[in-house]
Amino acid sequence: AQKITQTQPGMFVQEKEAVTLDCTYDTSDQSYGLFWYKQPSSGEMIFLIYQGSYDEQNATEGRYSLNFQKARKSANLVISASQLGDSAMYFCAMREGLRSSNRKLIWGLGTSLAVNP
Amino acid sequence: SAVISQKPSRDICQRGTSLTIQCQVDSQVTMMFWYRQQPGQSLTLIATANQGSEATYESGFVIDKFPISRPNLTFSTLTVSNMSPEDSSIYLCSVDKGLGYTFGSGTRLTVV
Repeated sequence: AQKITQTQPGMFVQEKEAVTLDCTYDTSDQSYGLFWYKQPSSGEMIFLIYQGSYDEQNATEGRYSLNFQKARKSANLVISASQLGDSAMYFCAMREGLRSSNRKLIWGLGTSLAVNP
Repeated sequence: SAVISQKPSRDICQRGTSLTIQCQVDSQVTMMFWYRQQPGQSLTLIATANQGSEATYESGFVIDKFPISRPNLTFSTLTVSNMSPEDSSIYLCSVDKGLGYTFGSGTRLTVV
């Protein structure tokens, strides 16, 4: 079974509007971390935001915020005031067992975001 | 966070040949991760490379096809051996430094 599910293969948003990219996860660990990355057409992977399972507040980084709903096991990325440069693939990832030596990330399939002018 | 220099950024190679990809990190890191991203797909972990020990390969990846070297705490190479068109992908190295994992800029490989 997939551990990271991104149900939106593609999304469109109008410039200057907000958009939410969905991510649900599955883990039995109590200690885990959730990440969002952006991948423009150039291919580089850009770290956007991180949420730890014990963090009480939702993470925010500039125009990016993470809507963390632990009981629902969801970690949606919210991009406010979309810009044309936000057009890219967005990946949700999880690291289980933060206190263990296992540092592998588990990746979702990604969501392609297109920002329309 | 770390800064990673990955080379080459892209290459076009003949089938049956090999390509070595290099990643240089600006600080010492324990683990380095090598990923493959096939066209239109997500990232797939190839192996985890620790300095001074053999790399740990994920299911479906073998050392003969993807030999990895990790001579010190700031450098690693991945070789894609005996290439076929199915190896055409983006290859990325990554390190766990701070909260967010940092990635190299990627190597876009086309095998013809």
